[in-house]
Amino acid sequence: AQSVTQLGSHVSVSEGALVLLRCNYSSSVPPYLFWYVQYPNQGLQLLLKYTSAATLVKGINGFEAEFKKSETSFHLTKPSAHMSDAAEYFCAVSGLGGKLIFGQGTELSVKP
Amino acid sequence: NAGVTQTPKFQVLKTGQSMTLQCAQDMNHNSMYWYRQDPGMGLRLIYYSASEGTTDKGEVPNGYNVSRLNKREFSLRLESAAPSQTSVYFCASRRAGIYNEQFFGPGTRLTVL
Repeated sequence: AQSVTQLGSHVSVSEGALVLLRCNYSSSVPPYLFWYVQYPNQGLQLLLKYTSAATLVKGINGFEAEFKKSETSFHLTKPSAHMSDAAEYFCAVSGLGGKLIFGQGTELSVKP
Repeated sequence: NAGVTQTPKFQVLKTGQSMTLQCAQDMNHNSMYWYRQDPGMGLRLIYYSASEGTTDKGEVPNGYNVSRLNKREFSLRLESAAPSQTSVYFCASRRAGIYNEQFFGPGTRLTVL
């Protein structure tokens, strides 16, 4: 069975500070991993995805994530937070038929 | 190109009432999905349709039914709504291929009193 755990339901950073959102996965097969962002009262938008081509994946809005098989992790980072980054972030692993198994989500707050 | 559209955006029901949530996509995707989102629980899969003519249960199918009307449309029906079904419902679609991501609609916020 596949699963995803996001450490920290709420993360708060200052504007300009490093953003680090943690995601650990469990999968018996090579995983396909995704990060989605959800702005208030909107649907989910893809930030980036890992498809085994490269361990460091770059996404939209300056975000990137590194796949570490030994640590079963796929943490999301951004060097410098912007106020517009405030949102909820979801890590997900793809299962059979393209079904997504989501983590619980991490709400990111950015302080001025 | 509207992507994934959902109707209605908001709905309030009384316990025992029925309703159908509509979803359509214009990207010619094969697979479609229904999720519910509850605080602290992420998104959980209700039903999915890998291709036109097929549907399968997800993690939380009880109390719901689905219809894949054609390649574009995938509806979710609540036959007898319960307060536990108060949630935000998202429809998504995906092109065939193991690397491909899902595209999400804007959601339907449902309250059952």
